[in-house]
Amino acid sequence: NAGVTQTPKFQVLKTGQSMTLQCAQDMNHEYMSWYRQDPGMGLRLIHYSVGAGITDQGEVPNGYNVSRSTTEDFPLRLLSAAPSQTSVYFCASSRDGTNYGYTFGSGTRLTVV
Amino acid sequence: GEDVEQSLFLSVREGDSSVINCTYTDSSSTYLYWYKQEPGAGLQLLTYIFSNMDMKQDQRLTVLLNKKDKHLSLRIADTQTGDSAIYFCAERDYKLSFGAGTTVTVRA
Repeated sequence: NAGVTQTPKFQVLKTGQSMTLQCAQDMNHEYMSWYRQDPGMGLRLIHYSVGAGITDQGEVPNGYNVSRSTTEDFPLRLLSAAPSQTSVYFCASSRDGTNYGYTFGSGTRLTVV
Repeated sequence: GEDVEQSLFLSVREGDSSVINCTYTDSSSTYLYWYKQEPGAGLQLLTYIFSNMDMKQDQRLTVLLNKKDKHLSLRIADTQTGDSAIYFCAERDYKLSFGAGTTVTVRA
């Protein structure tokens, strides 16, 4: 099924551990983004990409790295997990210049203990 | 995000209309969106409106846009229990900026 696939769905990390959240889309979308969702704060943009090889920071980039070596994949790396990174993470993709908004993945629920 | 504001909660009786309001600050936004998030799920695009439109109707959904006041609203007619969810307003120039979300509770 076409769409945005995120893995894993759930993850528990210890403080200081690193990990990569995977995101893949098969719709040939140029735009991809990572958001975190925290209660009462909506979705905040972490990093985004407007095409392969191009990434930029969003509102809350500290503690996260991204890369975009292919159009399909946009992994999010946590360098040294902290309890403040406990959140639900959403990956989203969109075609450039369309009015269809973004297609969201189902999310990764991350707990840092 | 801080550029998009919504009220946090709305309680409505089943069968009544719901109105969710949103204000935004970026006048260059080309598209404005309403997303719905059901418990434990991702965000689903409900509807959108282009910035040169005043109103858009899509079945039970009506979107009103007041560009002068930078005010966007979503009206859901004949609200059903399945409409209980969090609704996010979002604006887009080259990236999406979201409001904090309005939790809509439908009571019998």
